[in-house]
Amino acid sequence: EAGVVQSPRYKIIEKKQPVAFWCNPISGHNTLYWYLQNLGQGPELLIRYENEEAVDDSQLPKDRFSAERLKGVDSTLKIQPAELGDSAVYLCASSLTSPDTQYFGPGTRLTVL
Amino acid sequence: GENVEQHPSTLSVQEGDSAVIKCTYSDSASNYFPWYKQELGKGPQLIIDIRSNVGEKKDQRIAVTLNKTAKHFSLHITETQPEDSAVYFCAATPSFMDSNYQLIWGAGTKLIIKP
Repeated sequence: EAGVVQSPRYKIIEKKQPVAFWCNPISGHNTLYWYLQNLGQGPELLIRYENEEAVDDSQLPKDRFSAERLKGVDSTLKIQPAELGDSAVYLCASSLTSPDTQYFGPGTRLTVL
Repeated sequence: GENVEQHPSTLSVQEGDSAVIKCTYSDSASNYFPWYKQELGKGPQLIIDIRSNVGEKKDQRIAVTLNKTAKHFSLHITETQPEDSAVYFCAATPSFMDSNYQLIWGAGTKLIIKP
């Protein structure tokens, strides 16, 4: 069974530029999560989707971050414009339903210069 | 809200010895406690979990214990091997059976297995 796929794995951009991350969850998983992980810390939830609906986006900085999960499968997380403090690893996870075990992708390491 | 503290931040043990990582939580309503292992360049991977109606759970060399009264839970790894080297995270949630649950994560423990 294929795991959670994320791309790109690494991204380096200059501040004020836009950036987008893509996630393909495990087939059949209805719940999709985006997390932010700073160095030396645990993941912090940004947004959770149940199928196409964003059911928990309370931690998402909506002034610059946006996300979508069209058709309830793949998801995209966007930052526009990026700031120096956005440098981190962005993790995508999925689960069969909620609540249930979460399976994580390898993450996208973002560096903002 | 829930707060999870994890200790130690770094743990170095000799290969073959045991390793213990401890976490404390603040919300007495928490009822689900997973442990994740994160290797370099990879996402966290669930290695074991425990529900609040169970005091201990074991899976080969890995075990988790839960003390609800003291509000702490621990990960035990016996006969450590080089491949156990990684960062380990504990987490807790007060409403695992609630569709709106959210995991609250500890800060992680970097486990180093010395050959």
